[in-house]
Formats: sequence, C-alpha cells, structure tokens
Amino acid sequence: AQTVTQSQPEMSVQEAETVTLSCTYDTSESDYYLFWYKQPPSRQMILVIRQEAYKQQNATENRFSVNFQKAAKSFSLKISDSQLGDAAMYFCAYQGGSEKLVFGKGMKLTVNP
Amino acid sequence: GAGVSQTPSNKVTEKGKYVELRCDPISGHTALYWYRQSLGQGPEFLIYFQGTGAADDSGLPNDRFFAVRPEGSVSTLKIQRTERGDSAVYLCASSFLTGTEQFFGPGTRLTVL
Repeated sequence: AQTVTQSQPEMSVQEAETVTLSCTYDTSESDYYLFWYKQPPSRQMILVIRQEAYKQQNATENRFSVNFQKAAKSFSLKISDSQLGDAAMYFCAYQGGSEKLVFGKGMKLTVNP
Repeated sequence: GAGVSQTPSNKVTEKGKYVELRCDPISGHTALYWYRQSLGQGPEFLIYFQGTGAADDSGLPNDRFFAVRPEGSVSTLKIQRTERGDSAVYLCASSFLTGTEQFFGPGTRLTVL
C-alpha cells in the first residue's frame, strides 16, 4: 500500500520570507500524481499544486513550487514571499492507479506578520 | 452553486443513532468521492462512485457504513448504529472524470455523543 509521510507537524515563517514543507512517500507504482492541498479553518481542501511523476520538470504555480525527487520519493513544497493568507494546514497527497487520494497527516503553517 | 456542497455542515447525534450525510457534486462531474478526516489526521478514503455505481468501496470501515448515488449526481453517506469513534469530518469531492482534479466540499462535522 502507498503511504505518505509528513514529518514536521508545525512550521512558522515570517511574512515575505520563504518556507519549505517536506513530504516523502512510498510506492511501487511507476505512474502516479502528487499533490499539495491547503486546508484553512473553513475545512475546504484547496489544491495548491500538482506534479505528474513522469514529468522531470518541477511544477510551479505563482509563489508555489515543488522539488520532486522521484528516486528519493521526496516531494517538497516551497512557498515564496509568504503571505498571511498562506496560514493553514498543508497536506501532501498521492494518487496512483486507483482513483483515491492518499494523504499525509498534514502540517500546520503559521505566518507571522 | 459552482462548488461541491455538503449538508448538514454539522451534525450531533447520540451513540446508536442512524445518520445521513449528503453531498451535491459540481454539475457534470461523473466521479464522486467520500473521505473521512479524524482530528489531527489527513483525510482517509472511504468510497468513490463513477456514475451511479460504487467503483471502489475498499475504504468503508465496516458494514455500518453505506453510500449511494442513485441518479449519478447527489450522494448520501449513511451510517447505522453510530459509535463515538465515528466522530470526524466527512469530506466529499467530485471530479469531471476519474484521474482529473478532485474538488472538495466544506465537509460535514459529525459528533457522536
């Protein structure tokens, strides 16, 4: 079975600074997708960024970028120019041959003004 | 509305009671997913539908849990003989096709006293 591990339960960053959230996963599949989701107190999961495993190029979405290391099964999220609105729970997720998403335990990000 | 909606937003029930949780997916989305998020954890997959049929129900914890999607749109998650351990946020997501982005609803927080 696939597993996703987020080893840092909490992190904090100063506004306008850069922060990196780490995630590792385990799978025997060769074709899969990886995601970072944001969950504010409203509970709604919001997709931040998505990476296809077959693509070597790291995905970017404005201030958000990933460092995807397939051999190491590592998938970190970098948030640049952090904003107060970035404060939330962040979840790393895996999707392989089955349609279900497998999530990590999440990490609480605090942004200090 | 444009997004996935879930009702009720919060549900408090007593141990042993029956509950139904409703999910209205985005119009036109053929796939619908249910996840359960316990306190301090990431969401865990329960079941997903492709159209009217349950394509994968491997995440349902036991036979007290059942879900339907009779017309391929709205889905209802049914829990019989609720237990305190069923207390969690139940999230619904939908996608246009399987393998495409899953859009999440705000969830239903179930509390079993």
